[in-house]
Amino acid sequence: DAGVIQSPRHEVTEMGQEVTLRCKPISGHDYLFWYRQTMMRGLELLIYFNNNVPIDDSGMPEDRFSAKMPNASFSTLKIQPSEPRDSAVYFCASSLARGTNTEAFFGQGTRLTVV
Amino acid sequence: AQSVTQLGSHVSVSEGALVLLRCNYSSSVPPYLFWYVQYPNQGLQLLLKYTSAATLVKGINGFEAEFKKSETSFHLTKPSAHMSDAAEYFCAVSSFGNEKLTFGTGTRLTIIP
Repeated sequence: DAGVIQSPRHEVTEMGQEVTLRCKPISGHDYLFWYRQTMMRGLELLIYFNNNVPIDDSGMPEDRFSAKMPNASFSTLKIQPSEPRDSAVYFCASSLARGTNTEAFFGQGTRLTVV
Repeated sequence: AQSVTQLGSHVSVSEGALVLLRCNYSSSVPPYLFWYVQYPNQGLQLLLKYTSAATLVKGINGFEAEFKKSETSFHLTKPSAHMSDAAEYFCAVSSFGNEKLTFGTGTRLTIIP
């Protein structure tokens, strides 16, 4: 398996524009996580899904952020409208969560810069 | 609620010296504990995990960690540091039935030649 695949790797956009980040989890994994990493706040869990259903979105900063998982092999994180304070690295991770196979596998991340 | 606390945001050790990165957890149920490593401009990579089997867990690159319930700790060690160990290290916790993975604030490890 190619691992968790995120796209794009880098995104530069202007304030006010819509941004969509994409994630393909590892095949067969039934949990998908979106994290945000900044110098100030470290790694924050934004939302996670189980079997394509959002379980906990309490980490989503505000209504400008939304996430979907239309099927087991694809998820998006959308920011509309974007603001400079959204600049961060966004990671997607997936896990199997069966018995002792509980670890999450991370993608390479999307570095978002909002100017 | 579950949480982890990593003591020391920055740790420096000499090449060849012992590496010790500290992690304490809080959990009302038996925890699953993890150490991840992040190299610059990379995603997080699993070093090792504890899932209620052996309390001394061996991971990749010569790292190991010991689960101590009495101390609620899961410290990461490596007997002899190598230059390639310079990275950021994250401790994380989850549990059976609560697959939400909560991370500590990270410890940046610097290796002094």
